Amino acid sequence: NAGVIQTPRHKVTGKGQEATLWCEPISGHSAVFWYRQTIVQGLEFLTYFRNQAPIDDSGMPKERFSAQMPNQSHSTLKIQSTQPQDSAVYLCASSLDAGTEVFFGKGTRLTVV
Amino acid sequence: QQQVRQSSQSLTVWEGETAILNCSYENSAFDYFPWYQQFPGEGPALLIAIRSVSDKKEDGRFTIFFNKREKNLSLHIKDSQPGDSATYFCAASGEDTNAYKVIFGKGTHLHVLP
Repeated sequence: NAGVIQTPRHKVTGKGQEATLWCEPISGHSAVFWYRQTIVQGLEFLTYFRNQAPIDDSGMPKERFSAQMPNQSHSTLKIQSTQPQDSAVYLCASSLDAGTEVFFGKGTRLTVV
Repeated sequence: QQQVRQSSQSLTVWEGETAILNCSYENSAFDYFPWYQQFPGEGPALLIAIRSVSDKKEDGRFTIFFNKREKNLSLHIKDSQPGDSATYFCAASGEDTNAYKVIFGKGTHLHVLP
């Protein structure tokens, strides 16, 4: 079990460009989460899927952020027209069931220059 | 509104001391409280967790004390070691329609000095 896999580990984009982040959750886990981590805000919830269906995207900046889970083995987080304030570590996580351990990937560090 | 609050952004203790990290929460529906530990360059990893039916959970040097009435909890790290230096996140989730969603505090950076 390789755990939650996130690619790439680091990404640098120019302001206004698009960034796509990839996540492969642990096989068999029903829930997949995306969080954003910054020094100032800590770990911010963005969105999550359960059995591939979007359940709660209340943390997603509505205009430029979108997340998808086209199949049970991967999820993507897309940021359009990236801005410097989008620079952060984006963490994907998965869990087997509600109220159980959430397993995190190592994150993708996004830098917008 | 910060649903889960950690009272200290940073805490420094000497090796061998007990480190105490405090956390409080807003939502009475929360009933599962995990603590996560994160080292630089890694994702957070579950350290220890407690459910609201208990007031104490112990695992080796790590103990959670939980006060449901006051809506607060604390993580005690006994005999702190330099290897315990990391960021600790208090988190919470609840048995409601969003039971899968885990809300995290902003984290406490623990420094253990040798």
